[in-house]
Amino acid sequence: QQPVQSPQAVILREGEDAVINCSSSKALYSVHWYRQKHGEAPVFLMILLKGGEQKGHDKISASFNEKKQQSSLYLTASQLSYSGTYFCGTERSGGTSYGKLTFGQGTILTVHP
Amino acid sequence: DSGVTQTPKHLITATGQRVTLRCSPRSGDLSVYWYQQSLDQGLQFLIQYYNGEERAKGNILERFSAQQFPDLHSELNLSSLELGDSALYFCASSVAALAGGGNEQFFGPGTRLTVL
Repeated sequence: QQPVQSPQAVILREGEDAVINCSSSKALYSVHWYRQKHGEAPVFLMILLKGGEQKGHDKISASFNEKKQQSSLYLTASQLSYSGTYFCGTERSGGTSYGKLTFGQGTILTVHP
Repeated sequence: DSGVTQTPKHLITATGQRVTLRCSPRSGDLSVYWYQQSLDQGLQFLIQYYNGEERAKGNILERFSAQQFPDLHSELNLSSLELGDSALYFCASSVAALAGGGNEQFFGPGTRLTVL
């Protein structure tokens, strides 16, 4: 089942902050965050694993609440280059579920000068 | 540049035809994943291969098939194409251990398929 992202769209001015949320109804092993610009490939930002391990960019932060199966991506002091569509991809535990990412519908982030 | 390469970049074909999309993973990556992205369905997992063997299947139609070769490149074959198959097809790769998850997936630039 597809995770639900909120908000659907965000408009910011440079320097402002934003939070994007991702919620799943299933128990998760990890949450992956990507940014995609129009017509381009999704770019890996961060992965949060069950148990608290994180891997990703130093300038981007995120959290994963295992009890609620929710993750949030924090974008601070936004820059024009942050514009794009942000996707969370959720990974469940066990066997053939590993590696199989189910993506949310995306959050469109627009940063204006 | 993720290090994952895909060819061709664009493909235009007619309904009923068959096409092959090619993907070369990053050096050292053993796992290859195929995803389809369309406006109505979003980004959807199709299939995963690990070191030449199929590992997981998602929403992949029976008209679609894939394989991973000994040199680890992968091909996605789409046959009896329909208008609704028009989409962006992405390949991703990771250094995936057979028995674990939580591995970063790096996406290639994609192949844009247009079925007329």
